[in-house]
Amino acid sequence: DAGVTQSPTHLIKTRGQHVTLRCSPISGHKSVSWYQQVLGQGPQFIFQYYEKEERGRGNFPDRFSARQFPNYSSELNVNALLLGDSALYLCASSLWSGSGFKTEAFFGQGTRLTVV
Amino acid sequence: KNEVEQSPQNLTAQEGEFITINCSYSVGISALHWLQQHPGGGIVSLFMLSSGKKKHGRLIATINIQEKHSSLHITASHPRDSAVYICGVQGAQKLVFGQGTRLTINP
Repeated sequence: DAGVTQSPTHLIKTRGQHVTLRCSPISGHKSVSWYQQVLGQGPQFIFQYYEKEERGRGNFPDRFSARQFPNYSSELNVNALLLGDSALYLCASSLWSGSGFKTEAFFGQGTRLTVV
Repeated sequence: KNEVEQSPQNLTAQEGEFITINCSYSVGISALHWLQQHPGGGIVSLFMLSSGKKKHGRLIATINIQEKHSSLHITASHPRDSAVYICGVQGAQKLVFGQGTRLTINP
């Protein structure tokens, strides 16, 4: 069974552009979370989606948005890119109920975004 | 003060040494995760635990809920254990991570 897959693996964008990152969870996992990891720091929570609804949002500006599709895959969108958005963007899938995680989170390899 | 603090931030040891990485947290949690991140970014989940102790091969994780503290131990360390080890605490919707501990095992 495939693990969590993210695309693209690397991306270079110019300031002010828009970017879309994609994530496919492990089969059977209905929860997808997005994290931003800046070099030298731990991942920071951006969003959690479950059953196509946003269930949690981290302290990120409105330029960041996401959605989850009926097949539970997810997209993370970032508008008006800034140099500071350069980071590794990680997607994690898990079994999750309304009261919390039922399994550990399984992470994709990440998308490394460079904004120039 | 960060919600999750790891120590040490950097650790260099010789092959075969016993390694301990510590994680302290300040919030109520339902579980704690230990992750391993190799150069290039890929993250592997090592443990998810909410009480007591878990063991996988040479890796052991313990948690003390009352003291809000967890440790990750590596026995008979090997150069392939060189990586960043990240502690994450689990709330209802999200994981909050520490900054990571960079471990280097020299042959």
